[in-house]
Amino acid sequence: AQSVTQLDSHVSVSEGTPVLLRCNYSSSYSPSLFWYVQHPNKGLQLLLKYTSAATLVKGINGFEAEFKKSETSFHLTKPSAHMSDAAEYFCVVTPKVGYGQNFVFGPGTRLSVLP
Amino acid sequence: ETGVTQSPTHLIKTRGQQVTLRCSSQSGHNTVSWYQQALGQGPQFIFQYYREEENGRGNFPPRFSGLQFPNYSSELNVNALELDDSALYLCASREGTGANYGYTFGSGTRLTVV
Repeated sequence: AQSVTQLDSHVSVSEGTPVLLRCNYSSSYSPSLFWYVQHPNKGLQLLLKYTSAATLVKGINGFEAEFKKSETSFHLTKPSAHMSDAAEYFCVVTPKVGYGQNFVFGPGTRLSVLP
Repeated sequence: ETGVTQSPTHLIKTRGQQVTLRCSSQSGHNTVSWYQQALGQGPQFIFQYYREEENGRGNFPPRFSGLQFPNYSSELNVNALELDDSALYLCASREGTGANYGYTFGSGTRLTVV
């Protein structure tokens, strides 16, 4: 079985300061991991994904995440927050093999960016 | 710009009624999944179709059913609507079934059951 814990339901940062959104996962199989972003009244947009290559993954809009198997973590970071980054962020785990390979979403972290 | 379109964008139904939600996937995306997102929560997996056959299902009752068509469109049907079915329903598609493929999501249909 797979599960995702997002340790903070809400994170607030000032514009221009670093962003850290935390994610821990549990998976019975070797996982693939994703981060998605959801702006108000919009669909989900893929930020980045880890499948099995480099453990440091770079995504769109300056975001990156590091897969740490020993810590079962996949935290999302960005060096400098922008006002447009304010949104809901979801960490997702899925097994690489198995029936259906459905995505399991975390509960989400709402990022606020203060001017 | 998303390659997955959903219709309608908003819908209000009465408890006990039936509803059909529609999704048009990107060409070549032969895997489609449906998710339910309740207010303030992460999306929950309903089911997945690959080449018109269901190949995965979450913890949803049989009154949630689906269809996938050869033209990359699909439907989510919900019978005997309950108040708790009020949510944003998301359709997502991808090229294959492998976990290396990320999903492309539509903007969703907001269903309100009164």
